[in-house]
Amino acid sequence: QQQVKQSPQSLIVQKGGISIINCAYENTAFDYFPWYQQFPGKGPALLIAIRPDVSEKKEGRFTISFNKSAKQFSLHIMDSQPGDSATYFCAGTFQGAQKLVFGQGTRLTINP
Amino acid sequence: KAGVTQTPRYLIKTRGQQVTLSCSPISGHRSVSWYQQTPGQGLQFLFEYFSETQRNKGNFPGRFSGRQFSNSRSEMNVSTLELGDSALYLCASSRTSGGPSYEQYFGPGTRLTVT
Repeated sequence: QQQVKQSPQSLIVQKGGISIINCAYENTAFDYFPWYQQFPGKGPALLIAIRPDVSEKKEGRFTISFNKSAKQFSLHIMDSQPGDSATYFCAGTFQGAQKLVFGQGTRLTINP
Repeated sequence: KAGVTQTPRYLIKTRGQQVTLSCSPISGHRSVSWYQQTPGQGLQFLFEYFSETQRNKGNFPGRFSGRQFSNSRSEMNVSTLELGDSALYLCASSRTSGGPSYEQYFGPGTRLTVT
């Protein structure tokens, strides 16, 4: 019940296009869903996060869409740029645990 | 504000040895979590410390241990190293624990290679 499943494993998008990464979770006790961006040789960097009482959150070109009934959430990157090429991880955690359960990651490549 | 720092950044050890990794959280952050990242298993939670107490623990053998000091700095130790322990070890800090989930901020990691 702890799993977070992420898809696709890899994604290639043309510059200016929309990148979409999907995640599904099992643990209904999860109350916080962050997305992290990781560049080679670096630690994951917090990108954007959402709580299950909100259906959508937007920060700049990044949007999280959340479907509580389906236990799914997704990251949309609008106007994708070559600098967005990185590995993206979704995660879930539950109140007080401070224990992130990560998806397997998506390697995103934006072609110029 | 300085970010999470981890030392050393790279480490090569021999099977059977032990290793200690260090993490300094963001100033004011009292919760420190450790994660192991490998290509096969991805990012996996090791344990979390808050106020010098281990609050949560992942599914790792007892060879993996940690501690936290009064200034919130944390160390993790791996004894009797195995080849499979080769990984990037990441430390993350957050403001609190035991309450609403807060953002975790990661350090650059320590790359451990076991030969």
